[in-house]
Amino acid sequence: DVKVTQSSRYLVKRTGEKVFLECVQDMDHENMFWYRQDPGLGLRLIYFSYDVKMKEKGDIPEGYSVSREKKERFSLILESASTNQTSMYLCASSLSSITGELFFGEGSRLTVL
Amino acid sequence: AQSVSQHNHHVILSEAASLELGCNYSYGGTVNLFWYVQYPGQHLQLLLKYFSGDPLVKGIKGFEAEFIKSKFSFNLRKPSVQWSDTAEYFCAVNEERDDKIIFGKGTRLHILP
Repeated sequence: DVKVTQSSRYLVKRTGEKVFLECVQDMDHENMFWYRQDPGLGLRLIYFSYDVKMKEKGDIPEGYSVSREKKERFSLILESASTNQTSMYLCASSLSSITGELFFGEGSRLTVL
Repeated sequence: AQSVSQHNHHVILSEAASLELGCNYSYGGTVNLFWYVQYPGQHLQLLLKYFSGDPLVKGIKGFEAEFIKSKFSFNLRKPSVQWSDTAEYFCAVNEERDDKIIFGKGTRLHILP
């Protein structure tokens, strides 16, 4: 069974802290994505990666960075967390753009105080 | 930039009613289209997808969607809803040969027993 695992379900951080959100997939997928989900705004793409060490900005990359050193792992980094980054963060992977289907993790709910 | 519009933010229906959720996208080229569902407390999962061929696609749990290219639409339908269909539904699109997948803002569907 396919699995995307996000390391933290719930985090509480203070403004200015550095935050790491980890995501691991066990399906040997090429593509990995980070979205944030906010009520009334749906899912907004932050960054995605189509290969190891490759990354592309999504629609809202400001304030975020990513790292993909290994194929199975895609990390989202908030260099200096701010209150407007309080959100649900969703990691997803897909085999390729040809197949398209995204497999999602459970989500990481981040609260920045 | 491509975008996805979902017309209904919140829909309330009684069991056995028919359902149609609207979705329009802005990109004029070849696209792949998806509907995802998020049941309460669960992660997002694929309901159905359209890549090419028959514009009427069938998905899981009795859902179907019709791609109308001239209207840039991909509406989701179900002839008779059940209480268990209560969930949030997201339309998504990606341009052919592009790994980036963009989501709409979602529609919350509430089925009254």
